[in-house]
Amino acid sequence: EVVLTQSPGTLSLSPGERATLSCRASQRISSDYLAWYQQQPGQAPRLLIYRASNRATGIPDRFSGSGSGTDFTLTVSRLELEDFAVYYCQRYGSSITFGQGTRLEIK
Amino acid sequence: QVQLQESGPGLVKPSETLSLTCIVSGASIGSSSYYWGWVRQPPGKGLEWIGNIYYSGTTFYNPSLNSRVTISRDTSKNQFSLKLTSVTAADTAVYYCARTPYFYGSGSWVDYWGQGALVSVSS
Repeated sequence: EVVLTQSPGTLSLSPGERATLSCRASQRISSDYLAWYQQQPGQAPRLLIYRASNRATGIPDRFSGSGSGTDFTLTVSRLELEDFAVYYCQRYGSSITFGQGTRLEIK
Repeated sequence: QVQLQESGPGLVKPSETLSLTCIVSGASIGSSSYYWGWVRQPPGKGLEWIGNIYYSGTTFYNPSLNSRVTISRDTSKNQFSLKLTSVTAADTAVYYCARTPYFYGSGSWVDYWGQGALVSVSS
């Protein structure tokens, strides 16, 4: 089973700053099989990125995904207040697993 | 507008069976373009995939839950269901129903989520 490890566990930044979130897989996976989600308190997750770098419908272009092999990154170019939330990566395909999440909090 | 809505008891006793239904509107669960499935989230913790069902009835389950899980569908009612047997306190979670586009294997990214249903396991 592929294990996804997200880092850091918590990221403290200010609005307007750039956020870089990491998702590392325990074995190589295709970039076609990696997604990112945002979850606000008390809400269902929201799809941000699929196939590692494709933005979902309605997602602002300040969100971008990249990576390949075992290392994947979600970048938020200029943080807005509504971006402070928990972020999860997901591997899908032959099996489906989620990372443990990164909490993005206001500094 | 695709909408998914979970329904079912909010409290289940230990060793009994958890049963939830997801009612889908705005899309057909008979479409070959999607899987339909369940994801859960224990309070204060991360997401765990439970399983998916394809339009053909083929099911895919998380190996860690495989012996206790059954996902079924009723295309005439456009809904699908989850049964989890022999529950314990560790099964207490918010249960989300979800739609995933057909891509490869057992599922893909979730593009639509239900609002979630909290199920507590307690005597």
